[in-house]
Amino acid sequence: DTEVTQTPKHLVMGMTNKKSLKCEQHMGHRAMYWYKQKAKKPPELMFVYSYEKLSINESVPSRFSPECPNSSLLNLHLHALQPEDSALYLCASSQDRAGAGVPDTQYFGPGTRLTVL
Amino acid sequence: RKEVEQDPGPFNVPEGATVAFNCTYSNSASQSFFWYRQDCRKEPKLLMSVYSSGNEDGRFTAQLNRASQYISLLIRDSKLSDSATYLCVVNSVNTGGFKTIFGAGTRLFVKA
Repeated sequence: DTEVTQTPKHLVMGMTNKKSLKCEQHMGHRAMYWYKQKAKKPPELMFVYSYEKLSINESVPSRFSPECPNSSLLNLHLHALQPEDSALYLCASSQDRAGAGVPDTQYFGPGTRLTVL
Repeated sequence: RKEVEQDPGPFNVPEGATVAFNCTYSNSASQSFFWYRQDCRKEPKLLMSVYSSGNEDGRFTAQLNRASQYISLLIRDSKLSDSATYLCVVNSVNTGGFKTIFGAGTRLFVKA
């Protein structure tokens, strides 16, 4: 089973709203990722959690706040977003070959399509 | 120069054609390489990992050339269902940790 699930599938929010995106995997992976993808562009890495600790933050604005409650769950809390934050937000997970420091194959969830009005 | 560059698309090919994509990377310390396909408004799905020895999965063959720093994907006997965007992915380790970088993607249209 290589399934990563994400909820909600679609989200429309105003610039003053607070919302959260959720991601779940049950493959025993210890690395989880958030990506942002704009139309006709490749995914851009936002955050990486390794063994439930934030290991990479690609200079993402503080209006995006990640959280990893346990090894199977990853959240992305959203607050005071801008219209330009509208995009497809993808979650991924992988085995973390911690010794090598390089991630294994990443498996993606279906994404949450976010629209900020 | 971008860290990962792919052939510009789109590629328009007839069914049954053979088509090849290349992807170059600039970081010689890159360690793992993958091809993903992404259908319109869907998530990227792993197509295959890429190894120096090359690997083949049915109609798909991937190769890695470390000396020239490129990876390739060959699709034989193209099907209509192969129409998608193909993304190369490069993982590398540097002093700041690891980096996962996607190429911009190459769009393939297979026509009847």
